[in-house]
Amino acid sequence: GQQLNQSPQSMFIQEGEDVSMNCTSSSIFNTWLWYKQDPGEGPVLLIALYKAGELTSNGRLTAQFGITRKDSFLNISASIPSDVGIYFCAGQLSGSARQLTFGSGTQLTVLP
Amino acid sequence: ETGVTQTPRHLVMGMTNKKSLKCEQHLGHNAMYWYKQSAKKPLELMFVYNFKEQTENNSVPSRFSPECPNSSHLFLHLHTLQPEDSALYLCASSAYFGQETQYFGPGTRLLVL
Repeated sequence: GQQLNQSPQSMFIQEGEDVSMNCTSSSIFNTWLWYKQDPGEGPVLLIALYKAGELTSNGRLTAQFGITRKDSFLNISASIPSDVGIYFCAGQLSGSARQLTFGSGTQLTVLP
Repeated sequence: ETGVTQTPRHLVMGMTNKKSLKCEQHLGHNAMYWYKQSAKKPLELMFVYNFKEQTENNSVPSRFSPECPNSSHLFLHLHTLQPEDSALYLCASSAYFGQETQYFGPGTRLLVL
């Protein structure tokens, strides 16, 4: 089945710094998604991307759907303490095989 | 109650116990999902129900038995689990099967002794 390689696995940054993480796949996806999971909670959808090359923002978060359709990037600008959590990418094919394939997550820690 | 709720939030069980996890969604969705989340691993899809009918069973061992009595409720019955089954079990729902926007519950943290 499809696999997503998400990196980095973890990040420690200072408050106010910008953050970048990415996911790559050997398969082409038609939709890319980015979720955040707070401690003790389920993942919450942050951004959904539907077209190759698409760049979408949600507040301080910006995500891009790679031109090759095999990768996606998430950037967080001016990090704050509540950005702490695990960020997951997910890809989805179209057609009958519409399960989401998830990355293994990036654990983000923001230091004051 | 809003969104997707799961009970219990934490569960400790022995390998010979039988227990059930419950999920309820208040979003009017027609598709519901069970995922297993282990540390530092991708979420693993276990089961999918669409309009109460099971559409996916991703080679899950028979010691996990799902039940979907209606579009709003989903159960996961557990029997003779193994320690390696300890994980966070997440329920999710979407408006229809295959919609990418899935809403997750907070999960049940399961420990099998």
